[in-house]
Amino acid sequence: NAGVTQTPKFQVLKTGQSMTLQCAQDMNHEYMSWYRQDPGMGLRLIHYSVGAGITDQGEVPNGYNVSRSTTEDFPLRLLSAAPSQTSVYFCASRPSQGARNQPQHFGDGTRLSIL
Amino acid sequence: GDSVTQMEGPVTLSEEAFLTINCTYTATGYPSLFWYVQYPGEGLQLLLKATKADDKGSNKGFEATYRKETTSFHLEKGSVQVSDSAVYFCALSGSDYKLSFGAGTTVTVRA
Repeated sequence: NAGVTQTPKFQVLKTGQSMTLQCAQDMNHEYMSWYRQDPGMGLRLIHYSVGAGITDQGEVPNGYNVSRSTTEDFPLRLLSAAPSQTSVYFCASRPSQGARNQPQHFGDGTRLSIL
Repeated sequence: GDSVTQMEGPVTLSEEAFLTINCTYTATGYPSLFWYVQYPGEGLQLLLKATKADDKGSNKGFEATYRKETTSFHLEKGSVQVSDSAVYFCALSGSDYKLSFGAGTTVTVRA
């Protein structure tokens, strides 16, 4: 049971570099989302997708880009890394957008440091 | 918009002590409420949930009751163990279908 798989687990970048955080789920879930976790702020929604080909912005989308070409994959791209993007990033999924009674399944996170 | 306010930590307890973490929310309509737990170095796992008023969620000795009149969903456990040391998040899923989280409460249980 893989669930939600995130890679890499750790990454260090220099300011201005770009990179892609990978997320894949094997549960055939339509709804996928990206969060960042910062101390004292809980988890904040960056972007989400309600199905292949459909994405939308969350609470803190600036500096990030997403696409959803397949049901399984939902990569998050940092366009030009900034120190303020140092954080732990979590990908999550649930069966559908409307299934709000259902819990989200989380990956183990990517710890990202921007120097 | 929807929001969640939970008791800030850190909280340090001795084994077998009683644990309460307060959580209140603001939302329109009838949100679903969740408690997630994050063990060190791991992602979030669902601990329990409640989807309508007066529902009680329970799991692993933890309980929380959905109180619409006080807009609260406090987490309780009668006798904590060292293995309960973790960060606990209260969350709600409201009319916009998005999940809103509280700031998290770090709990440390000492033997």
